[in-house]
Amino acid sequence: KNQVEQSPQSLIILEGKNCTLQCNYTVSPFSNLRWYKQDTGRGPVSLTIMTFSENTKSNGRYTATLDADTKQSSLHITASQLSDSASYICVVSASGYSSASKIIFGSGTRLSIRP
Amino acid sequence: ETGVTQTPRHLVMGMTNKKSLKCEQHLGHNAMYWYKQSAKKPLELMFVYNFKEQTENNSVPSRFSPECPNSSHLFLHLHTLQPEDSALYLCASSQDTGSRNYGYTFGSGTRLTVV
Repeated sequence: KNQVEQSPQSLIILEGKNCTLQCNYTVSPFSNLRWYKQDTGRGPVSLTIMTFSENTKSNGRYTATLDADTKQSSLHITASQLSDSASYICVVSASGYSSASKIIFGSGTRLSIRP
Repeated sequence: ETGVTQTPRHLVMGMTNKKSLKCEQHLGHNAMYWYKQSAKKPLELMFVYNFKEQTENNSVPSRFSPECPNSSHLFLHLHTLQPEDSALYLCASSQDTGSRNYGYTFGSGTRLTVV
């Protein structure tokens, strides 16, 4: 069964600190993995997309890693800011399909940054 | 704004009411989607339209009725809903459903409360 599991479910850190969010998946065959940021009351916005051959990709203070062998991804946030408070959703797409049902969403990690 | 606009942002309706959610995209995309987001659960795909034709219905109850008059507009008609239908309803668009990477652009969602 195609699944995406994220941990932790929620996280609270102090402003300026770093944090790492985890995503494990069983989606096969793998096509790509995206991390989305969803602010409260808004829709998800894409942060990064990674394909099979990519190990690391950065977007400002956000760095995503992918280990296709262990089927794990992480999102590292450096020098957190209050505006980083949001839910972060890992989304994995299966290859060989044009069906939207082969795009699997995780439940998200709720990150809260405290001043 | 992301280019995908949803109205209303908030909706409270009784179980016997009929209401409609509206989604409009100005991105020139040809595929549009309805997703349901409940607390602490992954996004659930509801309907997919590609070039105005419905291509996927993810076993959604008939009390939800989608309509896609053109590639820029998508509606979700609601009638005789249940309290468990309370959720954030997200509209998304992409270039088309055949795009391997499915670069979704999400709207801000409609927060629906059924009383």
